[in-house]
Amino acid sequence: GAVVSQHPSRVICKSGTSVKIECRSLDFQATTMFWYRQFPKQSLMLMATSNEGSKATYEQGVEKDKFLINHASLTLSTLTVTSAHPEDSSFYICSASDGPSYEQYFGPGTRLTVT
Amino acid sequence: TQLLEQSPQFLSIQEGENLTVYCNSSSVFSSLQWYRQEPGEGPVLLVTVVTGGEVKKLKRLTFQFGDARKDSSLHITAAQPGDTGLYLCAVAGGTSYGKLTFGQGTILTVHP
Repeated sequence: GAVVSQHPSRVICKSGTSVKIECRSLDFQATTMFWYRQFPKQSLMLMATSNEGSKATYEQGVEKDKFLINHASLTLSTLTVTSAHPEDSSFYICSASDGPSYEQYFGPGTRLTVT
Repeated sequence: TQLLEQSPQFLSIQEGENLTVYCNSSSVFSSLQWYRQEPGEGPVLLVTVVTGGEVKKLKRLTFQFGDARKDSSLHITAAQPGDTGLYLCAVAGGTSYGKLTFGQGTILTVHP
């Protein structure tokens, strides 16, 4: 149980375009989903926290107009990188929590490359 | 200032050697988690420690939570190439309920 999927697993896009990444909880209802960014050989950096049906809470320094997060249902959250630039190239990981506990179940990540 | 100080940042050892990774803080935590992440994949939870002084074992991995619940260690006995990966400690807390804060991570490479 507690499986989280991400789609796509890899995406290459041109500079200036927008990319949408999906995060799904497959066998549980995720009241809260988290989005992380990870650079090579570094730890995970939390970008934002999203609760179903409400606006996401962004961490300091994360541009909410650039990284649009939507958590429209209890099983799906999306992260849209708008007007992507090469510096947005990174590994994006989502996690989902099924209740008021801290346990998070992580997705397999999405490798974004902006050319 | 990092909430969690993880060390060492890099560790390169030969198969069969033992190693210890440390996760330290000046704050007290109700619990602490250890994750392992392989390249191109999401982190996988190894263990959660909740009681001061607690020791948990997972095959060749031994996890300890400090008596004061401010620090933790991960010890691997007789490391194998399959242990290679990024090891992360994490604690819950912050402005968002359920938010995890990760240590800087330890990149472990075990050479055959």
